[in-house]
Amino acid sequence: SQKIEQNSEALNIQEGKTATLTCNYTNYSPAYLQWYRQDPGRGPVFLLLIRENEKEKRKERLKVTFDTTLKQSLFHITASQPADSATYLCAPKVRDKIIFGKGTRLHILP
Amino acid sequence: NAGVTQTPKFRVLKTGQSMTLLCAQDMNHEYMYWYRQDPGMGLRLIHYSVGEGTTAKGEVPDGYNVSRLKKQNFLLGLESAAPSQTSVYFCASRLAGGTDTQYFGPGTRLTVL
Repeated sequence: SQKIEQNSEALNIQEGKTATLTCNYTNYSPAYLQWYRQDPGRGPVFLLLIRENEKEKRKERLKVTFDTTLKQSLFHITASQPADSATYLCAPKVRDKIIFGKGTRLHILP
Repeated sequence: NAGVTQTPKFRVLKTGQSMTLLCAQDMNHEYMYWYRQDPGMGLRLIHYSVGEGTTAKGEVPDGYNVSRLKKQNFLLGLESAAPSQTSVYFCASRLAGGTDTQYFGPGTRLTVL
């Protein structure tokens, strides 16, 4: 069965440093993978999408990589700020559906 | 544009009661989804719809029914609520085709006593 693994523990990062979140998947090869942000008490919000033939995608301070050999996507936030504190979900496309990971809680410490 | 809205925001039910959650979107999206989110479980798909008048089961459909009589609305019904249905429910929508990017509502927090 399809499996998605994200860091189950919360990640604490000092303000100004780069935060790196990991998404590992097994048993399938997604055509693309999306990352969403979710704040407490709110619905997820789409951030970035990376396709299987792209190694890297950037948007402002965000960068996503996609390694189809390792079956892994990394999500980086550079120059992190307390406002980046949230839960981040990865969501690979598996056949005809999007499957959401459980998310990683990120805390940026001032 | 309001995007995706959900009604109500909070609800407390007793076991055995019924209720309907309403999702509305003003983006003319063809696809609509209902998810539940529980601690440690992530988002799980309950039912979805690929267009007006069509619905399909997701990963955890038991105990729920849905209807999509109008393109902009997607209703989720609980006929006889159980404590196991205590959860936060999210509705999402997206355009047909493209990259499946979903737009989520703010959620409904449901407690079943």
